[in-house]
Amino acid sequence: DAGVIQSPRHEVTEMGQEVTLRCKPISGHNSLFWYRQTMMRGLELLIYFNNNVPIDDSGMPEDRFSAKMPNASFSTLKIQPSEPRDSAVYFCASSFQGIIYEQYFGPGTRLTVT
Amino acid sequence: TQLLEQSPQFLSIQEGENLTVYCNSSSVFSSLQWYRQEPGEGPVLLVTVVTGGEVKKLKRLTFQFGDARKDSSLHITAAQPGDTGLYLCIVSGGGADGLTFGKGTHLIIQP
Repeated sequence: DAGVIQSPRHEVTEMGQEVTLRCKPISGHNSLFWYRQTMMRGLELLIYFNNNVPIDDSGMPEDRFSAKMPNASFSTLKIQPSEPRDSAVYFCASSFQGIIYEQYFGPGTRLTVT
Repeated sequence: TQLLEQSPQFLSIQEGENLTVYCNSSSVFSSLQWYRQEPGEGPVLLVTVVTGGEVKKLKRLTFQFGDARKDSSLHITAAQPGDTGLYLCIVSGGGADGLTFGKGTHLIIQP
């Protein structure tokens, strides 16, 4: 079975450019999470969706970040304009909504903003 | 706001030794999960617990959960280089909006 798929795996871009990260959750899962991980701050939850609807985006650092989930099998995280401090590994995870959120993580996208 | 502390932050031991890492919450949680993250990969779920006092075993890994449902430990017997990674605990207070994350324990097992 295919796990969570993320693309691209690596992204290098210049400050000010738009960056779009993509995620395909596991089929049948109805919750999707976007995370950012750095050595300094650890794993941070940015936003999560239930049934394609954004439930909590309080972790989104600022208006430069936006996330969409147009259907159950696809989500995007966009940064516009990007800044060097956005450099991190971004993970997408999916789970079946319930009392226990057992999450299945994708391999991550390593973003470097120069 | 629920706080979650993992200790130690870093641990480097020799192959064959035993070790224990800890996850402590400031509040009672509904469920707790341990994940292991290898370099360059996403976290992988190891175990989920919802019952206070529960003990679960996964080969050489033993997970214990406090009776008060505020803490947990992970014990590894006869550690192997393949156990190297970042061990994360994530607790839920009852919904995805109550998810809290520890910063993890970086474990290195030297051959």
